[in-house]
Amino acid sequence: SQKIEQNSEALNIQEGKTATLTCNYTNYSPAYLQWYRQDPGRGPVFLLLIRENEKEKRKERLKVTFDTTLKQSLFHITASQPADSATYLCALAHTGRRALTFGSGTRLQVQP
Amino acid sequence: EAQVTQNPRYLITVTGKKLTVTCSQNMNHEYMSWYRQDPGLGLRQIYYSMNVEVTDKGDVPEGYKVSRKEKRNFPLILESPSPNQTSLYFCASSPSGRASNEKLFFGSGTQLSVL
Repeated sequence: SQKIEQNSEALNIQEGKTATLTCNYTNYSPAYLQWYRQDPGRGPVFLLLIRENEKEKRKERLKVTFDTTLKQSLFHITASQPADSATYLCALAHTGRRALTFGSGTRLQVQP
Repeated sequence: EAQVTQNPRYLITVTGKKLTVTCSQNMNHEYMSWYRQDPGLGLRQIYYSMNVEVTDKGDVPEGYKVSRKEKRNFPLILESPSPNQTSLYFCASSPSGRASNEKLFFGSGTQLSVL
């Protein structure tokens, strides 16, 4: 069956360090992969999209990689800040399917 | 301000009492969708709509109805709510419905409790 796996355990890091979150998937052939940020009690907010033929995408302190051989995406936040504390969701769009399927998210806690 | 507006924010009801959660977007988006979010299960799609009068089932449509009479509105209807529909619900929209390469804009959510 199709699966998207994100680490369910919270990631705790010190301010200024790089946070790396993982998204693994099985039985998908995604054309695109997206990352969203979700704060408690709020709706997810889009951060980045990466296409299957892109290895890496950057936006300010954010970097996303996409390895279709490993079936994995890594999401990096460099120079992390307490304001980056949130849950981060990855979402896949399977080719030809009109919906995003979301992982259950990883909670990031950045300690000052 | 471009936004997706859901109401109510919180709702407590009893089993079997019909309810409607409203969703409205002001971005002239063609695609709208409902998700529910449960701990450990992530966001799961309930129904979606590609345009006015065009709706289709998502992954977990049982017990829900939707309608799309106007482009901006996409209400979620629970005809006979049950406790297993207690969840956090999100409405989302995107410009054209090619969700694979478009970002979704989400509402702030509706926390529903069915007693």
